[in-house]
Amino acid sequence: NAGVTQTPKFRVLKTGQSMTLLCAQDMNHEYMYWYRQDPGMGLRLIHYSVGEGTTAKGEVPDGYNVSRLKKQNFLLGLESAAPSQTSVYFCASSYSRRQNTGELFFGEGSRLTVL
Amino acid sequence: AQRVTQPEKLLSVFKGAPVELKCNYSYSGSPELFWYVQYSRQRLQLLLRHISRESIKGFTADLNKGETSFHLKKPFAQEEDSAMYYCALRGYSGAGSYQLTFGKGTKLSVIP
Repeated sequence: NAGVTQTPKFRVLKTGQSMTLLCAQDMNHEYMYWYRQDPGMGLRLIHYSVGEGTTAKGEVPDGYNVSRLKKQNFLLGLESAAPSQTSVYFCASSYSRRQNTGELFFGEGSRLTVL
Repeated sequence: AQRVTQPEKLLSVFKGAPVELKCNYSYSGSPELFWYVQYSRQRLQLLLRHISRESIKGFTADLNKGETSFHLKKPFAQEEDSAMYYCALRGYSGAGSYQLTFGKGTKLSVIP
């Protein structure tokens, strides 16, 4: 099992460009999440999904959109990138509440730089 | 609202010395607390959860509801413990779903 896989791992964008980060998990998890990690700020939840076709806003959703068309994939989109979105992005997944021990399984991260 | 506070950004200790990483939380319900660790160039992973009352790699953490704390402790630090540590709280976020809220993290540096 690959676990949680994120692509791309690195990307440099110019202000105003758009891009999509892809997260794929092969553990049949119901829940998926997108976090951003910034120095001194820890991990902050951007958006999450509790199942295929559903998404919800987290703590810092502005400037991002997400889609969960397939259970195994969770896409994070930046429509018009801004320098403030320079960060390391982490995708994670977990079981649903009934089976959930609380453990999140993380991807390796995607480093995004917006110039 | 749920909040997790880790007051120390950086903690440096000598090898063999005791370690205590502080974590305080704010949550109106019954909390579920976790410690996650991120070693250099590795992905974030679960270290331990309060409900299991387990010891992992020599680390333990006790939930103190009176002080709303979940401090991570190890009696003798090892160089391989150097990493970023995050305390996290799982709380109800409405509509039948739960979210994990992370603290800002503490970087532990063990000096040889």
